[in-house]
Amino acid sequence: SQQGEEDPQALSIQEGENATMNCSYKTSINNLQWYRQNSGRGLVHLILIRSNEREKHSGRLRVTLDTSKKSSSLLITASRAADTASYFCATGNNNDMRFGAGTRLTVKP
Amino acid sequence: DGGITQSPKYLFRKEGQNVTLSCEQNLNHDAMYWYRQDPGQGLRLIYYSQIVNDFQKGDIAEGYSVSREKKESFPLTVTSAQKNPTAFYLCASSQQGSYNSPLHFGNGTRLTVT
Repeated sequence: SQQGEEDPQALSIQEGENATMNCSYKTSINNLQWYRQNSGRGLVHLILIRSNEREKHSGRLRVTLDTSKKSSSLLITASRAADTASYFCATGNNNDMRFGAGTRLTVKP
Repeated sequence: DGGITQSPKYLFRKEGQNVTLSCEQNLNHDAMYWYRQDPGQGLRLIYYSQIVNDFQKGDIAEGYSVSREKKESFPLTVTSAQKNPTAFYLCASSQQGSYNSPLHFGNGTRLTVT
């Protein structure tokens, strides 16, 4: 399957620090997406990076993609307590999208 | 505002009973999906539908059934045949015909079966 696997499983940082989460996958992809989930809520789409892109920015988010290593990273700069959530990478087409188990980020005020 | 509405937020049922989870969207999306999430795990696809009156099984369809009679609605029935139905259920939708369209999720229904 094309399941993404996030690393680390959990990350705890102080407000203002940067947070980096990694995602590895197994087969070739069309795109890779990152989602955020607050506890007990649905997932919210953050950013999509296509297979022919290497880096993408959106506000305080920076996503990189290395197709040769089958990996992606999500960087959240200048973190805030409100960034506390689980972050998931997803690979594959919409009808065949695979989600990893996520990285649980805690930002301490 | 456009979005996806799942109801109810919490649902309790006795073992052996069928239960139907509601999912309604007003985003005019053709494609809709049902996922199951267990504690500390990712999402697993149960069923998806690309168009009205058509749907396909996902990875864990056994014990579940769906219908797609209207574009806006994609209800999921958890039947008594589902061996471990207690979980968090998420409905999503997306634009049809694109590999690169993001999923829009509802806020989920937490089902507890005792």
